[in-house]
Amino acid sequence: DTAVSQTPKYLVTQMGNDKSIKCEQNLGHDTMYWYKQDSKKFLKIMFSYNNKELIINETVPNRFSPKSPDKAHLNLHINSLELGDSAVYFCASSQEVATAYNEQFFGPGTRLTVL
Amino acid sequence: SQKIEQNSEALNIQEGKTATLTCNYTNYSPAYLQWYRQDPGRGPVFLLLIRENEKEKRKERLKVTFDTTLKQSLFHITASQPADSATYLCALSGSGNTGKLIFGQGTTLQVKP
Repeated sequence: DTAVSQTPKYLVTQMGNDKSIKCEQNLGHDTMYWYKQDSKKFLKIMFSYNNKELIINETVPNRFSPKSPDKAHLNLHINSLELGDSAVYFCASSQEVATAYNEQFFGPGTRLTVL
Repeated sequence: SQKIEQNSEALNIQEGKTATLTCNYTNYSPAYLQWYRQDPGRGPVFLLLIRENEKEKRKERLKVTFDTTLKQSLFHITASQPADSATYLCALSGSGNTGKLIFGQGTTLQVKP
C-alpha cells in the first residue's frame, strides 16, 4: 500500500545510454512532480503535471522528457545520459495545485549513476 | 536570484534539549513555507506548513515560526529524541497555482542519547 512508488531504486548505466524511471501514486492526487537531488543535497524541481498536463518545466535539458499516461503515473525518460545526470531523482504528488495547502508526498527516490 | 539558506553544518544536541533550525531566504516573497524531514536513502516527509500571515504553528513537539520581515523561519523540536535525528528541509512557495516548491539544502540534526 505504498503511496508513491518509483522503479527502479538504483540505476547504473553508461554515458550515452537512454533510460527511464517510472513513478506511480495511489493517493488519487491530481498533481505529480519530478525532483533532482544532487550530491550537495539540493532538491530541485524539474517538472510537474496536473491531470496529465505539463504545468512546470524548469530549465532542464531537453534530453529529459516526462510522460504522464494518466494522472496516477509520471515517468521520466532521459536520453544520451551524461556524467552530470548522476543524482537521486524523486517523484512526488500532491492533492491539488491551486491551493495554498500543497503538502507533497515523495517517493523513495531513484539513485542514478552514470559511468 | 531567489535564495534559501539553511545551516549546512550539522546540529548536534543532547537528548531532551530543544533543537532550533533556521531557514533564511532572500529575493522572495513566499505565500507559505513548509518543513520536511528526510532520512538517509529516503524521500522527504512533510511535517508542517505555515502561511505568510501566520506567526507560529505547532504540532506535537514541533513548532515553526515565520517572520516575513526578517525573511526567516525557525523550526523547533522540543524534548528532542535520538529518533529525531535526520535532515530537515525548508521549502518556500509563492501564491501562484503551480505548486512549485523551492527547497533549502537542509540541516542535519543529530540527537545524542
